[in-house]
Amino acid sequence: SQQGEEDPQALSIQEGENATMNCSYKTSINNLQWYRQNSGRGLVHLILIRSNEREKHSGRLRVTLDTSKKSSSLLITASRAADTASYFCATVPLSGNTGKLIFGQGTTLQVKP
Amino acid sequence: NAGVTQTPKFQVLKTGQSMTLQCAQDMNHEYMSWYRQDPGMGLRLIHYSVGAGITDQGEVPNGYNVSRSTTEDFPLRLLSAAPSQTSVYFCASSPTNAGANVLTFGAGSRLTVL
Repeated sequence: SQQGEEDPQALSIQEGENATMNCSYKTSINNLQWYRQNSGRGLVHLILIRSNEREKHSGRLRVTLDTSKKSSSLLITASRAADTASYFCATVPLSGNTGKLIFGQGTTLQVKP
Repeated sequence: NAGVTQTPKFQVLKTGQSMTLQCAQDMNHEYMSWYRQDPGMGLRLIHYSVGAGITDQGEVPNGYNVSRSTTEDFPLRLLSAAPSQTSVYFCASSPTNAGANVLTFGAGSRLTVL
């Protein structure tokens, strides 16, 4: 079964607006990662946040992690048409074999010019 | 650097046929994995390997075999293809195990089983 559940499944905004995507997971984690997938392409890593971190920034990206609620959010500020893509969260479970990176179902973001 | 290279990009099979999806990386990564991506299902882990000679099952391993004879290569074998295996397959690698590092993905292989 999927570890991560993402919300919303689809999001459509105007260029310049902010986009927020949420990810919830079920079990305790070592870290949580966000990836982007452009249509017809492989996934590209965006940012990693460890279980002892609460917030990380990378350019226009801001990720938060609330381990008590087992949730994370990805904020893209001042969105651009080039940000149109699917975004996935992925978790590494704390217990068991750390060789497994489990992905959520993804949020499809459309940024209209 | 080429990164992670997958071949073929597209393949059509008939039910019962066998084939191998190839994956090669030139980054000397220890960890390699195979995922399948289906609409509405996200990515699901099929098999992974933490080093040459070591493989393990992911979430959906049935119907697939893997081996890791070298650090560079991690082929995925379908012994008897079924329509349920129609999907887009992604190979990904990282320097060590997935918990400590991020994944580099290949461009994907789109498989259709008739």
